[in-house]
Amino acid sequence: KQEVTQIPAALSVPEGENLVLNCSFTDSAIYNLQWFRQDPGKGLTSLLLIQSSQREQTSGRLNASLDKSSGRSTLYIAASQPGDSATYLCAVRLGGGADGLTFGKGTHLIIQP
Amino acid sequence: GAVVSQHPSRVICKSGTSVKIECRSLDFQATTMFWYRQFPKQSLMLMATSNEGSKATYEQGVEKDKFLINHASLTLSTLTVTSAHPEDSSFYICSASVAGVENIQYFGAGTRLSVL
Repeated sequence: KQEVTQIPAALSVPEGENLVLNCSFTDSAIYNLQWFRQDPGKGLTSLLLIQSSQREQTSGRLNASLDKSSGRSTLYIAASQPGDSATYLCAVRLGGGADGLTFGKGTHLIIQP
Repeated sequence: GAVVSQHPSRVICKSGTSVKIECRSLDFQATTMFWYRQFPKQSLMLMATSNEGSKATYEQGVEKDKFLINHASLTLSTLTVTSAHPEDSSFYICSASVAGVENIQYFGAGTRLSVL
């Protein structure tokens, strides 16, 4: 059974710092990996999607890497801002069609002004 | 981009009542929709996979008779929590895949269910 672990569970840093969120998964036979942002009481916002054949994806200040063989992914946030405060979720998908996502518990991030 | 609408966003009900949650794909056809729930401080867990015109596939440990799923059209799936109890209080969220582009799931805003 696929398990997804995110470290750290919580993180609080001053504004402007660069930071790294970690995600690991037990079954390396994934179809893709996705990073989401979840704001309190709200749904999910997809940040980056990495296909199994890719090594990284970038969007603005965000960069996600994928090392499928070792079962790891990192989300790098550059020049953090208070608006980045949220819970960041990592999710993997085993199949391409009818498979749902397996999520980690998330990293609760607070960026101090 | 693809938009998924989920309604209601919040519901409070008495124990023993049934609650229906709707998930709609607004600007695309979704052959597959997924239902997840999230208990406090836990990860989102897949409950069931809903395919248009066929019976839903439930994950292990999810009671199909308690969580009724109907996917009658390519733009609408509903989740009915029957005879809800306080332990069913949770955050329920749906997602949908665009027909032909199943590698991406778009999520609704979720429904916060509180059963008194």
